[in-house]
Amino acid sequence: DTAVSQTPKYLVTQMGNDKSIKCEQNLGHDTMYWYKQDSKKFLKIMFSYNNKELIINETVPNRFSPKSPDKAHLNLHINSLELGDSAVYFCASSPDSGAKGSEQYFGPGTRLTVT
Amino acid sequence: GESVGLHLPTLSVQEGDNSIINCAYSNSASDYFIWYKQESGKGPQFIIDIRSNMDKRQGQRVTVLLNKTVKHLSLQIAATQPGDSAVYFCAAAGGTSYGKLTFGQGTILTVHP
Repeated sequence: DTAVSQTPKYLVTQMGNDKSIKCEQNLGHDTMYWYKQDSKKFLKIMFSYNNKELIINETVPNRFSPKSPDKAHLNLHINSLELGDSAVYFCASSPDSGAKGSEQYFGPGTRLTVT
Repeated sequence: GESVGLHLPTLSVQEGDNSIINCAYSNSASDYFIWYKQESGKGPQFIIDIRSNMDKRQGQRVTVLLNKTVKHLSLQIAATQPGDSAVYFCAAAGGTSYGKLTFGQGTILTVHP
């Protein structure tokens, strides 16, 4: 019954490593997002994909690369991890490109810790 | 650009009281607003939304008020319960990119039994 799921829930890794976070939604939504939540709980959008096409790409280091193999999946790959990448990463989805403004459904989050 | 902020970062209330959480936004082009609740260790959960053609919308125990003149919105929770304890976020979207939600900093609501 999980609507938006992410794996892993927790990820601890060392600086310089490359890691991926996976996201899947079973809601049939067209649009998926990645957000970063810092230690002060501030949520900021990173990327958005609509039907596998990138539509929002905020000022994010190019070490972050989203990949959408199909509209139900949006993965986030991070190269050369840095201490400042430590945060909670949330995946979300919405039923359209947001053209009319619509609710986004969030996953449970992936807590990334870079040591 | 858009910025969305909250007047009070923390709010403590007694069970049964009404709670009011405030939010200010800066972009006058914003015309879609949404409130989320985030419990510890979980993702944000939708509470209620409102579009700019309305100034009030009610849900179950919650009411959102929108004042476009002063670019302010509030979330009112009636008969607050301990289960309402969480971080509450407002978010705004509009203009050319509705999909881009800009979130406020969050208010921590603590409900004491």
